[in-house]
Amino acid sequence: GNSVTQMEGPVTLSEEAFLTINCTYTATGYPSLFWYVQYPGEGLQLLLKATKADDKGSNKGFEATYRKETTSFHLEKGSVQVSDSAVYFCALSSTTDSWGKLQFGAGTQVVVTP
Amino acid sequence: NAGVTQTPKFQVLKTGQSMTLQCAQDMNHNSMYWYRQDPGMGLRLIYYSASEGTTDKGEVPNGYNVSRLNKREFSLRLESAAPSQTSVYFCASKISGGITDTQYFGPGTRLTVL
Repeated sequence: GNSVTQMEGPVTLSEEAFLTINCTYTATGYPSLFWYVQYPGEGLQLLLKATKADDKGSNKGFEATYRKETTSFHLEKGSVQVSDSAVYFCALSSTTDSWGKLQFGAGTQVVVTP
Repeated sequence: NAGVTQTPKFQVLKTGQSMTLQCAQDMNHNSMYWYRQDPGMGLRLIYYSASEGTTDKGEVPNGYNVSRLNKREFSLRLESAAPSQTSVYFCASKISGGITDTQYFGPGTRLTVL
């Protein structure tokens, strides 16, 4: 079946450091890929997405490129802020899954210190 | 435009008690989902509703029932709560079942079963 694997956290960084969160997936066909972010005490919100190979999603300084050859969708940000402290979830949606359901990774907690 | 709303935000139950989690969306979305979030496991799909009048099981449906009351509302019922159902529950909606569509999440209900 389809699955998403992302690096374990917590990832602790200083403000203005470079952030990378690795995400790899297993899926049949051509899934869509998503990064969701969950701030403390809140629900999930879409950070960015890519719907076909070589697409780059970007938002709020975050970027991720859909790499079919390596089945990866790594999240990057060049200079993090304290406000980026959150849990980040990589997810996919595939035509082989129930009605557009999202298959999530376990989540990576990111802590940014001043 | 409130998006996806959930009630209650917090609930404590004793083993064997029943309760209903309420979810409503005002975005005229056709598809709605219930997920549970447990530490280290990401979000797992409990039930979904592709459209008004239809419901289907997801990955972890045992111990739950759902009702798609109308296009806006999708409730989740625990008939006899068990400690294993202690979790954070998220409702989500999207315009359709397409794999490129974005899912929008509610703020969650934190449930503790003693």
